[in-house]
Amino acid sequence: TQLLEQSPQFLSIQEGENLTVYCNSSSVFSSLQWYRQEPGEGPVLLVTVVTGGEVKKLKRLTFQFGDARKDSSLHITAAQPGDTGLYLCAGAGSNDYKLSFGAGTTVTVRA
Amino acid sequence: DVKVTQSSRYLVKRTGEKVFLECVQDMDHENMFWYRQDPGLGLRLIYFSYDVKMKEKGDIPEGYSVSREKKERFSLILESASTNQTSMYLCASSLLGSSSYNSPLHFGNGTRLTVT
Repeated sequence: TQLLEQSPQFLSIQEGENLTVYCNSSSVFSSLQWYRQEPGEGPVLLVTVVTGGEVKKLKRLTFQFGDARKDSSLHITAAQPGDTGLYLCAGAGSNDYKLSFGAGTTVTVRA
Repeated sequence: DVKVTQSSRYLVKRTGEKVFLECVQDMDHENMFWYRQDPGLGLRLIYFSYDVKMKEKGDIPEGYSVSREKKERFSLILESASTNQTSMYLCASSLLGSSSYNSPLHFGNGTRLTVT
């Protein structure tokens, strides 16, 4: 199992502030996915990054895949209460049906 | 949209009982997965299946078994429930393809199981 470490574990910020969540590993991944999970629901895919150094934007969310494909970050600009949730990163090795998940970062955005 | 439906949102069972958790997906996905989610531990893979009647162990298969008799249905079985199996159980499905490792997982809303 390839281990993914997410930091911080918890993050509480005021509406309008920026935040960054990190996902790190000593292993190389062929792709990395970010999910958001809201209370009482299953995780929902936000983005998949595949190429080292890749940057993807989804409205106020910016995702980056490290050059060596061992780490990733999620940056949220001007956070809103609707961004509240558990953010999970998940990495896949090549030719592997299985994803390895990080433990998640719980983000709370206060109005 | 893909829909993954888990039959129960909440279950309370007694130690030693045999427990069945059911999952159905409606998008003809080949891959199906069972995870458990515990605070601070993230999602851990119990079993997965890439075809009917096929199953493979994940990272924590002990105390669990699975059944996939039809493509759309994947069942998780706790042969003799124990208190350490109290957890949130998530079912997921994904497409099988040449780039299967990029296929996103589609999750159900989970079953919160309490074993007393």
